[in-house]
Amino acid sequence: DIQLTQSPSFLSASVGDRVTITCRASQGISSYLAWYQQKPGKAPKLLIYAASTLQSGVPSRFSGSGSGTEFTLTISSLQPEDFATYYCQQLNSYPITFGQGTRLEIK
Amino acid sequence: QVQLQESGPGLVKPSQTLSLTCTVSGGSISSGSYYWSWIRQPAGKGLEWIGRIYTSGSTNYNPSLKSRVTISVDTSKNQFSLKLSSVTAADTAVYYCARGGGRWKFDPWGQGTLVTVSS
Repeated sequence: DIQLTQSPSFLSASVGDRVTITCRASQGISSYLAWYQQKPGKAPKLLIYAASTLQSGVPSRFSGSGSGTEFTLTISSLQPEDFATYYCQQLNSYPITFGQGTRLEIK
Repeated sequence: QVQLQESGPGLVKPSQTLSLTCTVSGGSISSGSYYWSWIRQPAGKGLEWIGRIYTSGSTNYNPSLKSRVTISVDTSKNQFSLKLSSVTAADTAVYYCARGGGRWKFDPWGQGTLVTVSS
């Protein structure tokens, strides 16, 4: 199985901050990586797919980059609604796997 | 706009079989080159992919659950289903269904349904 390791697991930040979350894969996955945002009691919401493609309707302050084994999700200027848990997901090979999550909280 | 909705018992006894259905609305389950997946999330924990099915009936399962999982599809009802046998408390989780788009993304997702395994 391909393991995805997110860092940090917990992040405290303020409105307006720029934050970056990293996802490292245990082996190369090309660009078959997606990012999701999950709020308490809700289903995950797709933000980014193909490592860097912004899903329709997602604010442009979200961006993704990377390929191979290292990927990043960046939020350029945190808004109050961005405080949530973020997951990366690899779809390169089965079984599909997710990172352990990064919880983003208000400082 | 395609929407997904999970349904099924919220309480299952240990050793019994968990059965859930995902109903697809707003579009045909057979249209496009999509597949249909189940994912679960224990309380306070991360996401675990269970398996997926194409409308052709082709399936892939997570090896960690493969011996207990069956996913099926009923195109006439625009539904796909999950059966997980011999459940234990460790199978207590919110279960989500989602549409898979190739090797790119899961979107949309259902709202999720909590299944508790308890006697």
